[in-house]
Amino acid sequence: AQSVTQLGSHVSVSEGALVLLRCNYSSSVPPYLFWYVQYPNQGLQLLLKYTSAATLVKGINGFEAEFKKSETSFHLTKPSAHMSDAAEYFCAVSEKGATGNQFYFGTGTSLTVIP
Amino acid sequence: EAQVTQNPRYLITVTGKKLTVTCSQNMNHEYMSWYRQDPGLGLRQIYYSMNVEVTDKGDVPEGYKVSRKEKRNFPLILESPSPNQTSLYFCASAGTGVSYEQYFGPGTRLTVT
Repeated sequence: AQSVTQLGSHVSVSEGALVLLRCNYSSSVPPYLFWYVQYPNQGLQLLLKYTSAATLVKGINGFEAEFKKSETSFHLTKPSAHMSDAAEYFCAVSEKGATGNQFYFGTGTSLTVIP
Repeated sequence: EAQVTQNPRYLITVTGKKLTVTCSQNMNHEYMSWYRQDPGLGLRQIYYSMNVEVTDKGDVPEGYKVSRKEKRNFPLILESPSPNQTSLYFCASAGTGVSYEQYFGPGTRLTVT
């Protein structure tokens, strides 16, 4: 079974500063990797996904993530934080099984943007 | 509009009273899944389904049942709910292309007293 580790359950940045949210996964085989965002009282929305096509993945709202196999990491970044980026962020991994893909999520990182 | 719908959105019930949370998607997706979200634990997969009549356990299946008799519907059944099943539940669906990109429903907040 996979495991996903998100370092830092709470991250605070100033508006305009770099956003860096960390994610490490356990698999030795490159899996499918995802970042989701959850705004208060809403469901999850896909930010971006890695499917082995390119190691640097660009997503919505100016976010991007880099897959580093040697570090088993998939950290999420955004050059300049905006107040609207305040939300909960989840990293996820999918693992192919005999009857379909099983998904494993990290415990989430709550991002606060300080004006 | 492409969407995943869940009903009810909020439910308060008592221990042992059977309940069903419905999930429906209009995207003709093969893959559907249920998750529970608890503070500090993130999302944990309960059950998933690759297609009609094909279901499998996720990480936390105990106390739950599912069925997939139609492609668009994937109900979650709690036959004898207990207080430790108080949680926020999400249904998701995905096409079975390369990456299984999931679309999530709005969530069902369940309280078992």
